[in-house]
Amino acid sequence: SQKIEQNSEALNIQEGKTATLTCNYTNYSPAYLQWYRQDPGRGPVFLLLIRENEKEKRKERLKVTFDTTLKQSLFHITASQPADSATYLCALDIRGTNAGKSTFGDGTTLTVKP
Amino acid sequence: ETGVTQSPTHLIKTRGQQVTLRCSSQSGHNTVSWYQQALGQGPQFIFQYYREEENGRGNFPPRFSGLQFPNYSSELNVNALELDDSALYLCASSLEGAVGAQYFGPGTRLLVL
Repeated sequence: SQKIEQNSEALNIQEGKTATLTCNYTNYSPAYLQWYRQDPGRGPVFLLLIRENEKEKRKERLKVTFDTTLKQSLFHITASQPADSATYLCALDIRGTNAGKSTFGDGTTLTVKP
Repeated sequence: ETGVTQSPTHLIKTRGQQVTLRCSSQSGHNTVSWYQQALGQGPQFIFQYYREEENGRGNFPPRFSGLQFPNYSSELNVNALELDDSALYLCASSLEGAVGAQYFGPGTRLLVL
């Protein structure tokens, strides 16, 4: 069956360091992968999308990589700040489907300590 | 630009009852998806509506049903509520045919006692 795993339920880092979150998938051929941020009691907020034929995407302090051979995506936050503390979700969409039918991982909760 | 809104924010029901949750999509978006998010888990796709018809469904029983209206707003109906239906219900809007992000509302927290 299709499965998405995000590394460790919680990640604690010091302010200023780079946070690296992992998303691994099996039995899946995604057309693209998305990363979302979710704060407690709120809906997910879209951050970045990367397509299967792209290796890397950047947006300000955020960087996403996508390795379809390893079936893995890495999400980096550089120069992390306490305000970056949240749960980060990865989501996959398969080929031939339009937006809005994503399969999500269970998320990684990031805590950035001052 | 108006974002995705959902109502109510919180709801308490008892087992066996029925519930209706509502969602208004983001301005310009014609597709609405519903997700269920249990505590500590990621959102699970329930179904999607486009042009007032169901356009894909996840692994949820028929007692989960929906509607979409001409203005693209949507309802999620759940009959014969079970304790395991307690969750955050999220609505997300997107543009049909577009590859990319979906925009989520704040969710409705449902508690079934």
